[in-house]
Amino acid sequence: GAGVSQSPSNKVTEKGKDVELRCDPISGHTALYWYRQSLGQGLEFLIYFQGNSAPDKSGLPSDRFSAERTGGSVSTLTIQRTQQEDSAVYLCASSKGLMGNEQFFGPGTRLTVL
Amino acid sequence: AQSVAQPEDQVNVAEGNPLTVKCTYSVSGNPYLFWYVQYPNRGLQFLLKYITGDNLVKGSYGFEAEFNKSQTSFHLKKPSALVSDSALYFCAVRDRGGTDSWGKLQFGAGTQVVVTP
Repeated sequence: GAGVSQSPSNKVTEKGKDVELRCDPISGHTALYWYRQSLGQGLEFLIYFQGNSAPDKSGLPSDRFSAERTGGSVSTLTIQRTQQEDSAVYLCASSKGLMGNEQFFGPGTRLTVL
Repeated sequence: AQSVAQPEDQVNVAEGNPLTVKCTYSVSGNPYLFWYVQYPNRGLQFLLKYITGDNLVKGSYGFEAEFNKSQTSFHLKKPSALVSDSALYFCAVRDRGGTDSWGKLQFGAGTQVVVTP
């Protein structure tokens, strides 16, 4: 596609419910990243994929968070038993490769946990 | 370990005046350096990057940045600011000499730029 797309753009859920966030990277980009941006805060790295594998899961805040990527393309970030502190904007990015390649970001999913 | 600092939470500048957004970094090896901009309710957009070569890097929307190895800085500049430049700016660094296999991109906390007419 022309850019990174994310869905839904907004998600309001009740505490304790599970949510799935989707990311469609730019076609041909092998690397995919998830970040979290809380109100007035910088970017918090969550996880990255090179192809379908996720070598670095150290950024996931808790075991309620998981992510997968299939076919080297679409990725889903799942948050189980959501808590109010999970409320944030979740940003996805993709790049052609790692290291010196710039990341292209999607518009984000704004998650609100009531 | 790598880190990046943006010492100013906010920069205020009048339209037409020069704009500078400061960034300093710390890496164990040589850095890859990036600037991104985030407009309200939108995702981050890539502005420019330093990989190697000329220390002065030119990017989108008339922005440029100068890599200074001795001062470990990568300040973003624009000669004449526009009201439309008002946004949140992020500096990011990746250590090409890092021990991890992929070189995690570390973002600064961001600097809010406010350009007044």
